[in-house]
Amino acid sequence: DIQMTQSPSSLSASVGDRVTITCRASQSIGTYLHWYQHKPGKAPKVLIYAASSLQSGVPSRFSGSGSGTDFTLAISSLQPEDFATYFCQQSYNTPYTFGQGTKLEIK
Amino acid sequence: QLQLQESGPGLVKPSETLSLTCTVSGGSISSNSYYWSWIRQSPGKGLEWIGSIYYSGNTWYNPSLKSRVTISVDTSKNQFSLNLSSVTAADTAVYYCARRNWAGDKVVWFDPWGQGTLVIVSS
Repeated sequence: DIQMTQSPSSLSASVGDRVTITCRASQSIGTYLHWYQHKPGKAPKVLIYAASSLQSGVPSRFSGSGSGTDFTLAISSLQPEDFATYFCQQSYNTPYTFGQGTKLEIK
Repeated sequence: QLQLQESGPGLVKPSETLSLTCTVSGGSISSNSYYWSWIRQSPGKGLEWIGSIYYSGNTWYNPSLKSRVTISVDTSKNQFSLNLSSVTAADTAVYYCARRNWAGDKVVWFDPWGQGTLVIVSS
């Protein structure tokens, strides 16, 4: 199975900050990488698919980049509603696998 | 707007079978383009894809769980279900159902998801 490793595991930031979260695959996965946001008690929702494509309805302050083994999710100017857990998922091979998550907290 | 909702017992005894149902509303489970999936999240293993099913009944399972998993679909009720047999404490997790989206080649992601349901395996 392809292992997905996110860093950092947690992150403290302030409203208005720019933050980046990294996801690394244990082997090359092209751009078959997707990012999700998860708030407690809510359904996870996709933000970015295929490494850099913004899901419809997602604010443009979210962006994704990368290919091969290293990927980044960036949030350009944090808003209060962005404090959540973010995780990545690869679809290069089955079984589909996920990163362990990055918890973004208010500083 | 498509919505998914998991339902089923929150407590299952060891060695028994975990059974959950996902009800799809706001759209048809018989859509040509989508597989319907189960995913779980446990403290020990993080998020884990369990398997997916097409409305025709074609299934795709995670090899690590394949011997214990059955996913089925009931198009008349717009529902799909998960059965996981011989459960242990390691199967304690929040179980999510989700629609698998496909945008060509290997571009596969999950959206939307249900809110999840906690299943505890304990005697």
